[in-house]
Amino acid sequence: GESVGLHLPTLSVQEGDNSIINCAYSNSASDYFIWYKQESGKGPQFIIDIRSNMDKRQGQRVTVLLNKTVKHLSLQIAATQPGDSAVYFCAENNGRPGNTGKLIFGQGTTLQVKP
Amino acid sequence: ETGVTQSPTHLIKTRGQQVTLRCSSQSGHNTVSWYQQALGQGPQFIFQYYREEENGRGNFPPRFSGLQFPNYSSELNVNALELDDSALYLCASRSGATPASYNEQFFGPGTRLTVL
Repeated sequence: GESVGLHLPTLSVQEGDNSIINCAYSNSASDYFIWYKQESGKGPQFIIDIRSNMDKRQGQRVTVLLNKTVKHLSLQIAATQPGDSAVYFCAENNGRPGNTGKLIFGQGTTLQVKP
Repeated sequence: ETGVTQSPTHLIKTRGQQVTLRCSSQSGHNTVSWYQQALGQGPQFIFQYYREEENGRGNFPPRFSGLQFPNYSSELNVNALELDDSALYLCASRSGATPASYNEQFFGPGTRLTVL
């Protein structure tokens, strides 16, 4: 079946360090991947996305890496700040008719930033 | 903050009742998706609406139904509520000439439903 999994439920980092959050996916047909940040009491907030024809994409302080060979996705956050503390979800979409817009989410990794 | 709004914020119902949740999409967005997020889990896709028609559905029973209106706002209806329906219900909107376009989905803050 379809599943997106995260390697660790909780990641604790020191303020200023870099954070790496990992995600494994099982559907080799997936061609679009997104990272979301969810703070307590709020809906998921888009961070960055990547399509399967790319292996790296950079945003402001964030980088997403995609390894299609091993079906692995990672989110790197540079110079982690207290405001980065949240639950991070990876999500995939395989774009098949009827599935477009259907995002499959992982269970989430909680990022804790220590001051 | 996204331009997606949801109402009500919180809701308490009893088993067997029916509930209607509402979503106003971001201006210019014609596609709305609904997700169920159980505590400690990732959101699960319920269904998507595009131009007032359901376009794509997840593994949810028929008692989960929806509507999309000409102004692209949407409703999620759940009949015969069960205890396991207790969750955060999220609405997400996006723009796109077709539902197949990969445009960023903007999520609302959600409605917290508790079924007793």
